[in-house]
Order: sequence, then C-alpha cells, then structure tokens
Amino acid sequence: AQSVAQPEDQVNVAEGNPLTVKCTYSVSGNPYLFWYVQYPNRGLQFLLKYITGDNLVKGSYGFEAEFNKSQTSFHLKKPSALVSDSALYFCAVRDRRDTNAGKSTFGDGTTLTVKP
Amino acid sequence: NAGVTQTPKFRVLKTGQSMTLLCAQDMNHEYMYWYRQDPGMGLRLIHYSVGEGTTAKGEVPDGYNVSRLKKQNFLLGLESAAPSQTSVYFCASSRPGQGAFAGYTFGSGTRLTVV
Repeated sequence: AQSVAQPEDQVNVAEGNPLTVKCTYSVSGNPYLFWYVQYPNRGLQFLLKYITGDNLVKGSYGFEAEFNKSQTSFHLKKPSALVSDSALYFCAVRDRRDTNAGKSTFGDGTTLTVKP
Repeated sequence: NAGVTQTPKFRVLKTGQSMTLLCAQDMNHEYMYWYRQDPGMGLRLIHYSVGEGTTAKGEVPDGYNVSRLKKQNFLLGLESAAPSQTSVYFCASSRPGQGAFAGYTFGSGTRLTVV
C-alpha cells in the first residue's frame, strides 16, 4: 500500500519570503513523487517530479522540491513567494513497481496563501 | 490545445437519478483515471483503465461504473445518485512505462451536486 501525508492544511507566508509545503510518503518499493497545483475552479496542474538522480528537483514557476529518502519526505519549496502562488498544492506518490497502471496516491492537499 | 476534456462542467441531480460523465483525451494516453475530490480528503481513485476495453476498481468504486470502449474516452456512470456522491470529479490520463515519469494530465473537473 502507498500513502501520502501533508501535515499542514494551511500555510501562510508573506510575499517575498521563502515557502515550504511539507509532504511525507510511504510506499513498499521506491517512489516516483509528484507535486501538483490547483487554482480555484481548475483541474490539477503538474508542477514537478522526482524519478531518480539528484535529490533536488526543479519545476515550474520557480518551485523546487527535495527528496529525502531517510526521512521519506518530498517537501516543496520556493525561495521567494508571490501572491500568485496562492493555491491548493497536492503531493502524490507512485510505486515504481506498479507497472500495470501507475496509480498515484494523493495527499489531502495544503492551501498556500501568500499575503502582500 | 491537446489535453483532457470533461463534460459536463456542472450538474445537479436528484437522488435516484442517473447520469454519465464523459472524459476525452487527445494525447493517445493508455492510462485513464477517475478521481473524486472532497474537502479535507484529497483525491480518491474511483476507477481506472489501462487500455481500451479494460477497467478496474480503485479505492472508492461503490455506486459507480465505467467504460472504456474507445482509447480516447473514459465514461463514469452513476446509476442511482446519492447525496454522498456530491463531489468534484476529475479525470486524468497518463502514459505507461517510461511515460509515467510525466505525471498525470488532468481535466478541469465536473462539479456534481445530488439533492
């Protein structure tokens, strides 16, 4: 079984400050890890992924995420937040061994609010 | 633009009514999925398909049926709607194997209210 935990329902930061949205995961095998963003009344959009290689991955809109195998974490980060980053963020995990359907399991989501 | 299209975008049903949600993708993706999104519960997988003519149950399949008669379409049916099925429904697609690295492409969602 695989699972994702996003321990914070809400993250509030001031514009220009760094932001972190936390994610921890559990899978039987090795993970593929993803971050998605959802703007109001829209579908989820892919932000970035970790497949293999460097633990720090860079994605869209200046976001990056750090894979930490020992802590089973994949926290989303951005050095300087923008008001337009305000949205709902989902972390997702996929077991590399699931070659049949590649089903992803999503966290409950974290609402990021960036205040001017 | 290429992507995943869901119809309808909004629907209000009375308890006991039936309806079908349509998902269409033009990216030639093999895998397709139906999720429901509820506040505080993230996305939960209802059914999925690994190819034309194949479907399988996900995490919360009860009360739903699906069909994948054509590779590009994945239909989600509610035979007898219940208030507990009030939710936002998302369709997603992805490629198999190495293509899975790209993650999912999502539709814009269908907001369903059952009264």
